[in-house]
Amino acid sequence: DSGVTQTPKHLITATGQRVTLRCSPRSGDLSVYWYQQSLDQGLQFLIQYYNGEERAKGNILERFSAQQFPDLHSELNLSSLELGDSALYFCASRSGGAGDTQYFGPGTRLTVL
Amino acid sequence: SQQGEEDPQALSIQEGENATMNCSYKTSINNLQWYRQNSGRGLVHLILIRSNEREKHSGRLRVTLDTSKKSSSLLITASRAADTASYFCATGDGGSNYKLTFGKGTLLTVNP
Repeated sequence: DSGVTQTPKHLITATGQRVTLRCSPRSGDLSVYWYQQSLDQGLQFLIQYYNGEERAKGNILERFSAQQFPDLHSELNLSSLELGDSALYFCASRSGGAGDTQYFGPGTRLTVL
Repeated sequence: SQQGEEDPQALSIQEGENATMNCSYKTSINNLQWYRQNSGRGLVHLILIRSNEREKHSGRLRVTLDTSKKSSSLLITASRAADTASYFCATGDGGSNYKLTFGKGTLLTVNP
């Protein structure tokens, strides 16, 4: 158990809909990262937050957004969903100190029908 | 885009044998990490090697890093059926965000 929690585990929705994925980092970790894993693209970095502020953006679509709240949990919002958004979405947390290890949550499997 | 490329894409061995997986990357790195993923589940961090290190051990795992060749290898000794999983290398560029760039992974199957 990495200490990172993600909800829900599975999400099935229809095209055009909007969903919110939630992540709680390990206790004390200030950084949260979101990654998408799909069969064709592999594991791709989406976005990072550090102590409530956006720090870095990767291959994140404009239809996707995220935020990190004062209690450090983070939410990834996916809107106008398309079939190709079906994937595993992981969040990872990192302490923000000198150690570079990211600890991953169990993921949310999103299926868009 | 993928930074690392694991080789081979798939590897099948018998229990007790050693498994070696390789990873090549393209740009300068601060560190390289190996993760394991059991089918469709979360990634488990295995080991991190920094750019100024050449070899690192953790239990049955041995990781090497050759920055001149931009490559790393992961050796699992005395493999077990429970080692069956996908293994990914991930590079960190050491920037202020420490984001990771993953390879496509090696699927290891250990047959009992």
